[in-house]
Amino acid sequence: NAGVMQNPRHLVRRRGQEARLRCSPMKGHSHVYWYRQLPEEGLKFMVYLQKENIIDESGMPKERFSAEFPKEGPSILRIQQVVRGDSAAYFCASSPPRGSGTYNEQFFGPGTRLTVL
Amino acid sequence: SQQGEEDPQALSIQEGENATMNCSYKTSINNLQWYRQNSGRGLVHLILIRSNEREKHSGRLRVTLDTSKKSSSLLITASRAADTASYFCATDARRSGTYKYIFGTGTRLKVLA
Repeated sequence: NAGVMQNPRHLVRRRGQEARLRCSPMKGHSHVYWYRQLPEEGLKFMVYLQKENIIDESGMPKERFSAEFPKEGPSILRIQQVVRGDSAAYFCASSPPRGSGTYNEQFFGPGTRLTVL
Repeated sequence: SQQGEEDPQALSIQEGENATMNCSYKTSINNLQWYRQNSGRGLVHLILIRSNEREKHSGRLRVTLDTSKKSSSLLITASRAADTASYFCATDARRSGTYKYIFGTGTRLKVLA
């Protein structure tokens, strides 16, 4: 059973471009979480999604950021018109469905390191 | 202070010594997890301790949880240079409808050979 997969692992964008980060949850997991980590800081929650639904986006900036988790395919975190302050590591985590007894255990991917020039 | 705040922020010890890191949190939790992160790398899950557990062991790691004090500690015994990393605790925010984790800022451990 493969773990959480994220791609790309490194992404370089110029200011004003769009960044698309992908996350494939573990097999059987239906919950996805995105976190951002600025240099020398801990991870900060951004958004929590289930298939085709955003459950909690309280940590996501209101502008330029969006996330989706379609019925088929990976979850996408999209950052439009990137700025230098968006440079960070973005981690995705997944967890099993509720009722499985372990729904509140999150398994993290290796992260995508975004650098905005 | 934030939920899941680690103490100390930085710790430097000699190889073979024990390292103790503490984590404090504010709200009630379902579980608390400890992670390790090597510089510029991903997170490595170390231990999960549930709210009804008081202590857990995994190899050279020992985690305690005191829900009355809303605190946890991570002890690494007989430390090695390879233990040099940042260590984070993460608590699940036990609020209805969301199960996000809240991370502290981490303890940066340096083990000197």
